[in-house]
Amino acid sequence: DAMVIQNPRYQVTQFGKPVTLSCSQTLNHNVMYWYQQKSSQAPKLLFHYYDKDFNNEADTPDNFQSRRPNTSFCFLDIRSPGLGDAAMYLCATSRDLSSAGGSSYEQYFGPGTRLTVT
Amino acid sequence: AQSVTQLGSHVSVSEGALVLLRCNYSSSVPPYLFWYVQYPNQGLQLLLKYTTGATLVKGINGFEAEFKKSETSFHLTKPSAHMSDAAEYFCAVSDYEAAGNKLTFGGGTRVLVKP
Repeated sequence: DAMVIQNPRYQVTQFGKPVTLSCSQTLNHNVMYWYQQKSSQAPKLLFHYYDKDFNNEADTPDNFQSRRPNTSFCFLDIRSPGLGDAAMYLCATSRDLSSAGGSSYEQYFGPGTRLTVT
Repeated sequence: AQSVTQLGSHVSVSEGALVLLRCNYSSSVPPYLFWYVQYPNQGLQLLLKYTTGATLVKGINGFEAEFKKSETSFHLTKPSAHMSDAAEYFCAVSDYEAAGNKLTFGGGTRVLVKP
């Protein structure tokens, strides 16, 4: 089945130690998103890739970076995690109007990676 | 700018009773609207969506929602709650005019189902 995969599902890192979360998709969607979700809150968009174009949200801290080496993979790098960065990180994809078949409009989410900072 | 308001951060229903989750939106363009469900430690799963056409949309797991333009609402209902419906539900509106189909989410409603 076509899907969005996130690894690992649970990640523990130390305060200040860089960490990378990964996302892959078999949907061949041209847009990929990274969200941060804290307990009992809605997902908060950090940034998204529209094809190869990176789009950062205005309030995303510089501590968060992303890479998309190809259509299928996208990475979230946290350069120096703080205790406040402990959260669920969600990857999502969508197919935009420019793609073959037109837009799907909805976003397809992966299962998330729960990050703990010690 | 778009916004979504979900009335009630927590809803408690008895098994077999009606589930009603309220969502109101603000959008400068005809809205594309979504309901997502999230189970503990999982990602978001699409329940249903409204883009154009019929204003009553049916989704998975027996849920449906009705788009009411005059009320700027997109309330989610299910006639008979099941224990497996216990989860968090998010209403969202799409900024489809901008490249990337960004979603604006409501604050979420956590549903508790009592036996």
